[in-house]
Amino acid sequence: EVQLVESGGGLVQRGGSLRLSCAASGFTFSNYWFNWVRQAPGKGLEWVANINVDGSYKTHLDSVMGRFTVSRDNAKSSLFLQMSSLRAEDTAIYYCVTDRDRDAWIWGQGILVTVSS
Amino acid sequence: QLVLTQPPSASASLGASVKLTCTLSSGHSNYAITWHQQQPEKGPRYFMKVNNDGTYSKGDGIPDRFSGSSSGAERHLTISSLQSEDEADYYCQTWGDGIWVFGGGTKLTVL
Repeated sequence: EVQLVESGGGLVQRGGSLRLSCAASGFTFSNYWFNWVRQAPGKGLEWVANINVDGSYKTHLDSVMGRFTVSRDNAKSSLFLQMSSLRAEDTAIYYCVTDRDRDAWIWGQGILVTVSS
Repeated sequence: QLVLTQPPSASASLGASVKLTCTLSSGHSNYAITWHQQQPEKGPRYFMKVNNDGTYSKGDGIPDRFSGSSSGAERHLTISSLQSEDEADYYCQTWGDGIWVFGGGTKLTVL
């Protein structure tokens, strides 16, 4: 079965750190770019970061630049999001997503990150 | 600046048809977009990609009641024979300069 499964979310204090993981299965992970997308409570979808197939190119949303870093381990078919200096406005469900050449998308089920003040 | 604009809400009766619209910002009218459905309390699901020429390709398992089209800077998702389970938020997305851009979403209510 083709799937993405996120883990590592939870409750963290403002200014704290958290590392999200996303495990892929059922397809060739190393062939595709990956993204993180988040959704704050009651809000729409917001793109956060992406990474190319070998991890040599990464882009991040301006508001998380310098605080969040996306990475991947192709040998373990895993995607990561290292989050630090967390703010209340980072509270959201975080989704691991790939568009697999733009028309064969896979969304993870999402993982909740709550930043308490 | 690349922006996708969606009406915040839409409604239609059970069994009727509805056409949802996503509008590309000026200078980006030739971009392809994708549509994603998010049912209440669930994660998003990929529905289809709509090209600027009006052709579209659907994701796995998407019923024939769903179709896509294009007109100028507008990209459409048409749902026919509306069912109660179609009540959801619908988001459009496109590819910018190394990033993804999402529209604000349209909440569809089935009356």
